[in-house]
Amino acid sequence: EVQVVESGGSVVRPGGSLRLSCAASGFTFDNDGMSWVRQAPGKGLEWVSGINWNDGSTGYADSVKGRFTISRDNAKNSLYLQMNSLRAEDTALYYCARDRLYYMDVWGKGTTVTVSS
Amino acid sequence: EIVLTQSPGTLSLSPGETATLSCRASQSISSSYLAWYQQKPGQAPRLLIFGASSRATGIPDRFSGSGSGTDFTLTISRLEPEDFAVYYCQQYGSAPRMYTFGQGTKLEIK
Repeated sequence: EVQVVESGGSVVRPGGSLRLSCAASGFTFDNDGMSWVRQAPGKGLEWVSGINWNDGSTGYADSVKGRFTISRDNAKNSLYLQMNSLRAEDTALYYCARDRLYYMDVWGKGTTVTVSS
Repeated sequence: EIVLTQSPGTLSLSPGETATLSCRASQSISSSYLAWYQQKPGQAPRLLIFGASSRATGIPDRFSGSGSGTDFTLTISRLEPEDFAVYYCQQYGSAPRMYTFGQGTKLEIK
């Protein structure tokens, strides 16, 4: 079965750090990529970051640039999102998605990040 | 940065009717870069349409996408109760792997 499963969400204080993980199974990456998309409570979807699986090149939304770092471990079929200097506005459900270049076709159920003192 | 504007914000229709959802880009984009997603409460988004008009695997033919340039449309014919959800359009920005979503259209039962 093709699936991705996120983990690592938690409650963290403003200024703190958190690392999200995404385990992928049922597919090989080859020329695909992976993305993180978040959804604040009651709000729409916001793309956060993406990575090319083959060459590791990355992209970030302006709202997280310089604070978040996306990475992958090909051997473990895993994706990560290191989040530093967290702010209240980073509170959201974070989805991991398979990125087929131009669209995302496999989504996880998400992991919740709450930034609060 | 390209901005996607979806309209209407909320659409109230009855089962059996046809829904027409609009997505307008602030500048022309390639049709290859335009996708549509459905999201139901408490669920992850589901890919419906990619390349502006190609249905994803398992998507009923009641769902169709069209458009080019700056104006794109998602049409849902013969609405079923399970179609009432929020719909997002999405465009691919610049390499590598950068995306923008519209603000969403909520399709509700009238």
